[in-house]
This record gives sequence, C-alpha cells and structure tokens, in this order.
Amino acid sequence: QKEVEQDPGPLSVPEGAIVSLNCTYSNSAFQYFMWYRQYSRKGPELLMYTYSSGNKEDGRFTAQVDKSSKYISLFIRDSQPSDSATYLCAMSLGNTGFQKLVFGTGTRLLVSP
Amino acid sequence: DAGVTQSPTHLIKTRGQQVTLRCSPISGHKSVSWYQQVLGQGPQFIFQYYEKEERGRGNFPDRFSARQFPNYSSELNVNALLLGDSALYLCASSFFAGLAGSGANVLTFGAGSRLTVL
Repeated sequence: QKEVEQDPGPLSVPEGAIVSLNCTYSNSAFQYFMWYRQYSRKGPELLMYTYSSGNKEDGRFTAQVDKSSKYISLFIRDSQPSDSATYLCAMSLGNTGFQKLVFGTGTRLLVSP
Repeated sequence: DAGVTQSPTHLIKTRGQQVTLRCSPISGHKSVSWYQQVLGQGPQFIFQYYEKEERGRGNFPDRFSARQFPNYSSELNVNALLLGDSALYLCASSFFAGLAGSGANVLTFGAGSRLTVL
C-alpha cells in the first residue's frame, strides 16, 4: 500500500465547474500538507500548504485537511481552461532539520471551454 | 527573480553510461533536494542537502550520488544507467532544511532534467 493514494484521473469538467481533488494517506504522523500544480513538461508549482487540520482559502482555491480521516482535499471554484494540469498532493512529517515530501501520483484535470 | 534552474533540460544516454545533472537554487536558499518523477507517477525523494551536508536520502541505490557546493548549487550523479532510470529529475530549493511553524519553508521546484536511457 502506498503512503499517499490519489486517483490519477483524468477528471474532465466544463468551464465554471467546481472541482474537488482528494488524497488519502496512511501515516498519521504527517503534519504538513501541500498541493502542487504541474503543467506538461514543467516542474511542480506550489498552490497551497496547510499545517495540521483545518481549511485554508486562497482566491478560487480551498484546501481542507481532516487528520482524523487521513483525508485531504483541494477545491477549485469557477474552474478555467488554464487550470488544466496535473494536481499533486504532497505531505511531510515536519522535521525542522530535514524535509522529505511524499507525493501522490497526481490527478490530471481537464477543463473544457 | 530567477527561480530554480536546472541543466541540461533534456538528455539521452545509453545503458551503463553515467550522467551528471546540475541545479542552481533560488538566491538565498541554502537547501537543495532532488526528486525523481517517472512518467505517470508523483515525484520520489532522492536526496536533500543543506549547507553542503547530506540531510536525508531516499530509497535509491548507491549508483545515485549528489553533492552541494559552497555557492549552494548541486549536482546529482547517476552511474551505470538502467532503462528504469528514465525519468524527469527535479531539483527543489528552500531557505532552510526543514518545515516548522507556519510551514513557509516549503520547496520550490525547477522545471527538471528529462533523462532518457536507451
């Protein structure tokens, strides 16, 4: 079993839809939770990070962490064709002397005009 | 401001050869990490260096090695290349080694070096 599970998709939605992307994880020691966006042939770009449980909002993006269920989500409101990319969830234990991110496989999102 | 820069962007090698990939972190960042991303998968952690010292190593064979220079740039070396080493190799940098408090020290990635082993 992988430490972080993520549906690879693809997830196809029309422009303007609300998108929900999710990851589950098995290691209850994870403290930091991140979402990266990766366009084709590019490196991952940080979208959101959250420490411990709770919600965080930034523009059209909302990240949720439910540590009791070991489940994290990213919501995208009013989705745009430019949001078409692969979305990677990532997690870390939060050691102050060392940082290793554990990634999901990524979910490919396609937003059609 | 320049982000994380990696070179070369693409390269093709044959089995058994050796490869060196290079990374320049964001100015002021002292930590460099390397990740391997196989097609269709998420990145996998290979190494982290901070202030020229190895801080962590992922589950990769000894054919993989790295170092960090006094200017904080880094090299990743892979010896005796196998077909399975074909991947996008990502470099990421951060100010400090770990995550703490607000988590503002999260990693910034470069565009990667795409290695094809034939």
